[in-house]
Amino acid sequence: GAGVSQSPSNKVTEKGKDVELRCDPISGHTALYWYRQRLGQGLEFLIYFQGNSAPDKSGLPSDRFSAERTGESVSTLTIQRTQQEDSAVYLCASRSRLASEQFFGPGTRLTVL
Amino acid sequence: GQSLEQPSEVTAVEGAIVQINCTYQTSGFYGLSWYQQHDGGAPTFLSYNALDGLEETGRFSSFLSRSDSYGYLLLQELQMKDSASYFCAVQKQAGTALIFGKGTTLSVSS
Repeated sequence: GAGVSQSPSNKVTEKGKDVELRCDPISGHTALYWYRQRLGQGLEFLIYFQGNSAPDKSGLPSDRFSAERTGESVSTLTIQRTQQEDSAVYLCASRSRLASEQFFGPGTRLTVL
Repeated sequence: GQSLEQPSEVTAVEGAIVQINCTYQTSGFYGLSWYQQHDGGAPTFLSYNALDGLEETGRFSSFLSRSDSYGYLLLQELQMKDSASYFCAVQKQAGTALIFGKGTTLSVSS
């Protein structure tokens, strides 16, 4: 497709389970970002990839959160031992090298029961 | 720390003009962006200012004053479809992630 895609669109899990969220950026976009948005709030930065490396992981809230990117394309965000406070919409965005605009995917709504 | 302040809510009528202000305090500044987000939707890019002054894109304009750490988004000829949340976001260095404000909910009525 032409835009950023994310899967699953919705994920309901039990506290303590691990989840994996996937992001497919726009083809050719070298930069990829993960953000989290709690209900009615702004977006919180989690991690930034340039190519396959992550020069900025400062937003990851705890060591339960990790992310990787392969082939300068797909990225997965993994949350281990989920907690109820992890419930939020997780948004992925990508950007081409010379542009300032970030293109966002539709997000994954995570609910931890 | 970093902070971006913008009003939480703004209401207006169709055809009116609205200005959404954003003041920021960040350790570093490269540019100010504005994004629109409809309920349940993904944020979409509206504008970007790296230099002082006004940028105009159709009905939307954005202004930046780096010396005042201040910017605004101006929406003209408001339409019902403009009802959404509007976020200002600072980029501290080229290519890095955005720091978002909490968003301004704009409600446009007929």
